[in-house]
Amino acid sequence: KNQVEQSPQSLIILEGKNCTLQCNYTVSPFSNLRWYKQDTGRGPVSLTIMTFSENTKSNGRYTATLDADTKQSSLHITASQLSDSASYICVVSVDSWGKLQFGAGTQVVVTP
Amino acid sequence: NAGVTQTPKFRVLKTGQSMTLLCAQDMNHEYMYWYRQDPGMGLRLIHYSVGEGTTAKGEVPDGYNVSRLKKQNFLLGLESAAPSQTSVYFCASSIYRPDGRSGMPQHFGDGTRLSIL
Repeated sequence: KNQVEQSPQSLIILEGKNCTLQCNYTVSPFSNLRWYKQDTGRGPVSLTIMTFSENTKSNGRYTATLDADTKQSSLHITASQLSDSASYICVVSVDSWGKLQFGAGTQVVVTP
Repeated sequence: NAGVTQTPKFRVLKTGQSMTLLCAQDMNHEYMYWYRQDPGMGLRLIHYSVGEGTTAKGEVPDGYNVSRLKKQNFLLGLESAAPSQTSVYFCASSIYRPDGRSGMPQHFGDGTRLSIL
């Protein structure tokens, strides 16, 4: 069973609208949680990295939150654009070395 | 600013054939990684390297070998390809190990799409 579960699996939103993606993890302890954006046919690109002591971090229209007590994270996309169409991957650092556990991703489609 | 470059981008093999995937990074990173990405699953670590001349097994190393003879290159080999190795392979690099104290991201290449018939 994957230690990092993402929901929804996919979603479609209208351009200009907001959306929130969820990530639940069972990894313990962990040192950081990352969100990556992966465009079709490309490699993942880092959006945010949060340590266990941080509870929010922003990168432009992307805002990630972290609740280490409930082991939940979310990624909020504000005023979506067509270029936001991609898979968004939640990643947790799983051990003292920092090997990473990847979620399966949420596929976001932004329509005009 | 090439970053991480993977070659080839696409390849089709027959079962039992061998091949080598090449990863090159121009950022002087110490750490390099090979992942595979399969539908509905997260990326899984195959092998990684913490510096020139070093390699270590990841989560799914069976059927693969790696070498890091030069700091900038990390090679992934399939000695006898099997249909179960059909996947998209990603190479990544980072300046530090990916734990909380560094907080530095991994940089990924754009992948090699490998089909084994």
